[in-house]
Formats: sequence, structure tokens, C-alpha cells
Amino acid sequence: EVQLVESGGGLVQPGGSLRLSCAASGFTFSNYWMHWVRQAPGKGLVWVSCVNRAASIRPYADSVKGRFTISRDNAKNTLYLEMTSLRAEDTAMYYCARGGPYSSGHIDYWGQGTLVTASS
Amino acid sequence: QSALTQPPSASGSPGQSVTISCTGTSSDVGGYNYVSWYQQHPGKVPKVMIYEVSKRPSGVPDRFSGSKSGNTASLTVSGLQAEDEADYYCSSYAGSDNLLFGGGTKLTVL
Repeated sequence: EVQLVESGGGLVQPGGSLRLSCAASGFTFSNYWMHWVRQAPGKGLVWVSCVNRAASIRPYADSVKGRFTISRDNAKNTLYLEMTSLRAEDTAMYYCARGGPYSSGHIDYWGQGTLVTASS
Repeated sequence: QSALTQPPSASGSPGQSVTISCTGTSSDVGGYNYVSWYQQHPGKVPKVMIYEVSKRPSGVPDRFSGSKSGNTASLTVSGLQAEDEADYYCSSYAGSDNLLFGGGTKLTVL
């Protein structure tokens, strides 16, 4: 059974930093692109970033470019999202999600999410 | 990286059909056959209902179907049931390894 379990969310002051983790199990993690998608309270889904199998390709949404860094450790079956210079508008549930073997592959599994709140 | 355009709401009576549109550009929806649709019930995680424009994952009822014409993709739900009431999001590959989502459509079963 595919499982994605996020952790690391919490309350942080604007300008602060946070590191999210996503532990994957039930599939060969290194064979898939992985994504972070966020959803602000009461709002829609917004793609944040993804990473290819070798962690050599890491595109970002314009809204987080230069502030967020995605990475993965295939030996630990874990996906990460390092978030710096956090803003109030970054407040959202952050979902870890599995893509396909290629960047165009659809997201087929989602974690339960971890809530990030940037507020003073 | 503008979001794909979806109507904020849609509705239909049980047994009826409803279609939700998702409009993008030639750089995303119109340029690739990689449009997906997700269903999200309140407080729940999104679930893929359609991928690659019209393919249904196993376990998704055949009442759900997808299509695309030009820069607009569509999700049709036939034989509406009460449990279909949810938010629906489209997404599309947008080139350069980017993904785009639509703003979401709240489907109400009257």
C-alpha cells in the first residue's frame, strides 16, 4: 500500500524558516517524480514544486522560486521541502504527492498534508 | 504560471449530467494530452478521477469521463449521485516540468 506521511509543519513567524519531510513507503520511491502541492484554508490546490528521480531537475512555482528548495533522499525514501523567508501567504496545508516516471505523469497518491502557518 | 480557469460552481439534480470546464492556453491544456481531474471532499485528500484527458483509474465509476477540445478540457459526471458533491480540480502539464491546477469547481447535487 502506497503511503506518504508528511511532517514538519507548524507555526512560524513571517520571515522564518521551516523544513517539511515526507516519508514514502509501499512503492519504489526512486522510480517516481515527487511533488509538493499546497492549499490555503478554503482555497484551491496550487502546485509548488517537483523533483525528478535523480534530484537533478527541480522546477518551482514563481511564487516560491528563490525561497523554497525541494530535495529527496532515495536511500531514505524521503522527500523534503526547505522553506525560507516565509510570508503570510504561504500559510497552507502542504501535501506531498507522487507523480509518474516522467514529469508529465499525473499525481496518483497524496499524503494527508502538514499545516504551515506563517503568522506573528 | 496563471491558474487554469474553472467555473466556481456547478450543479445538477440526481441522475442528471453535469460538465465542468477547464480552460488554459496552448502552452498547457492545448499543448499536451496530460490533463487530470481530482475530486476533493471537505476535509479529505484529493483523489484522481481522470488522467491523460480521458483515462479512468481503476475503481473510478464510468459515470466520470473526460475530454478536451483545443485549450479547454472538460469533466462530465453522468447519473449524478449525492456522493459526487465535492470540489473538482483540473490540472495540466505546462511544459518545462511544471504543473498547473485550476481554481476548482464546487459541484452541488440538488
